[in-house]
Amino acid sequence: GAGVSQTPSNKVTEKGKYVELRCDPISGHTALYWYRQSLGQGPEFLIYFQGTGAADDSGLPNDRFFAVRPEGSVSTLKIQRTERGDSAVYLCASSMTSGETQYFGPGTRLLVL
Amino acid sequence: AQSVTQPDIHITVSEGASLELRCNYSYGATPYLFWYVQSPGQGLQLLLKYFSGDTLVQGIKGFEAEFKRSQSSFNLRKPSVHWSDAAEYFCAVGADGAGNMLTFGGGTRLMVKP
Repeated sequence: GAGVSQTPSNKVTEKGKYVELRCDPISGHTALYWYRQSLGQGPEFLIYFQGTGAADDSGLPNDRFFAVRPEGSVSTLKIQRTERGDSAVYLCASSMTSGETQYFGPGTRLLVL
Repeated sequence: AQSVTQPDIHITVSEGASLELRCNYSYGATPYLFWYVQSPGQGLQLLLKYFSGDTLVQGIKGFEAEFKRSQSSFNLRKPSVHWSDAAEYFCAVGADGAGNMLTFGGGTRLMVKP
């Protein structure tokens, strides 16, 4: 069956611009996670949803980052006033429910010029 | 705070040789531990996980890992490496006492010599 999909696969933007990154979880998965992976490092937790609500957003680095999941399926990670330091691969994962095995998507590579 | 250390950034082994990738964690309670593999252009794939019970855990692709509480370690092993095992390997701990907020180590890049 279809895995986690993320769009776009690559995004180039200019410093100060606004970007949205989309994640389509595996059908039927109620939990969804966002991570950020900088070059040469392991993924870093950002936020996770159980259903429509953010169960924990303690990993979001600052208030420029925001994520939504209005219908409990697709999620969008939103970054305002992008900075060069936001350049990274943004990974999305989903699981059947919270605490279950996380299945990762291929990521969106964001480059802020 | 929880943390995961993978001391080896790069490891090179010959095809057919045995493999051990090291992972040390810092966590106050009984940890939820994971090993993931990341191949170029592909997403992270779970190899195995430990929640409780038998400290020797079997995973996919012939991998196993052993949880040693006294050493705060969760090393990954494989008796005979195949060229297709070349990838980046990440150890992770469930920072929330479950399997949600994963804290990853920095990764170990495995290269396999023919």
